[in-house]
Amino acid sequence: GAGVSQSPRYKVAKRGQDVALRCDPISGHVSLFWYQQALGQGPEFLTYFQNEAQLDKSGLPSDRFFAERPEGSVSTLKIQRTQQEDSAVYLCASSLVGGQGAWDTQYFGPGTRLTVL
Amino acid sequence: SQQGEEDPQALSIQEGENATMNCSYKTSINNLQWYRQNSGRGLVHLILIRSNEREKHSGRLRVTLDTSKKSSSLLITASRAADTASYFCATPREINNDMRFGAGTRLTVKP
Repeated sequence: GAGVSQSPRYKVAKRGQDVALRCDPISGHVSLFWYQQALGQGPEFLTYFQNEAQLDKSGLPSDRFFAERPEGSVSTLKIQRTQQEDSAVYLCASSLVGGQGAWDTQYFGPGTRLTVL
Repeated sequence: SQQGEEDPQALSIQEGENATMNCSYKTSINNLQWYRQNSGRGLVHLILIRSNEREKHSGRLRVTLDTSKKSSSLLITASRAADTASYFCATPREINNDMRFGAGTRLTVKP
């Protein structure tokens, strides 16, 4: 079946531009996660949704980062006034249940590689 | 912040050889998972081992877990060029089940 998809796959932005990254999770998956992966590093947690509710945004690096999932399916990660340090791969993952104590497998999308010039 | 550390950071072997990667973590866990990431692709879930398990197999993969040492190892037997990728261990954070990853081991299998 269809996995997690993300678009665009690559995005080049000039410093100061706003960008929007889209994630289509696996249909029916309740939980959705965003991660940021710097070059040569493992992914780091940004934010978590359970259906449309954003339950944890503790990993967002600044108030320039904003995520939403208004209908509990597709999610958008928006970065305002991009900076060079925002250059990274942004990964989206979904899981069927998720949440405290769920321990279910997360399925990752291919990521969006953001380059800020 | 990263939860664990993989060792070695990079590993280069010949096709047919075995590859062993190690992972250490910091906090108590319910389970530990290994993922593979090919260049330009997302993370693929390989195997999950629960805290009450010591060893688990899946095809050519063998994972061990030592909770007393807070460490895990991933063994890939009879490696193939297609196994070339980065391998990450990860543990779920109980509150959200979000994953905490190490920095990964970059494996290169030469044909």
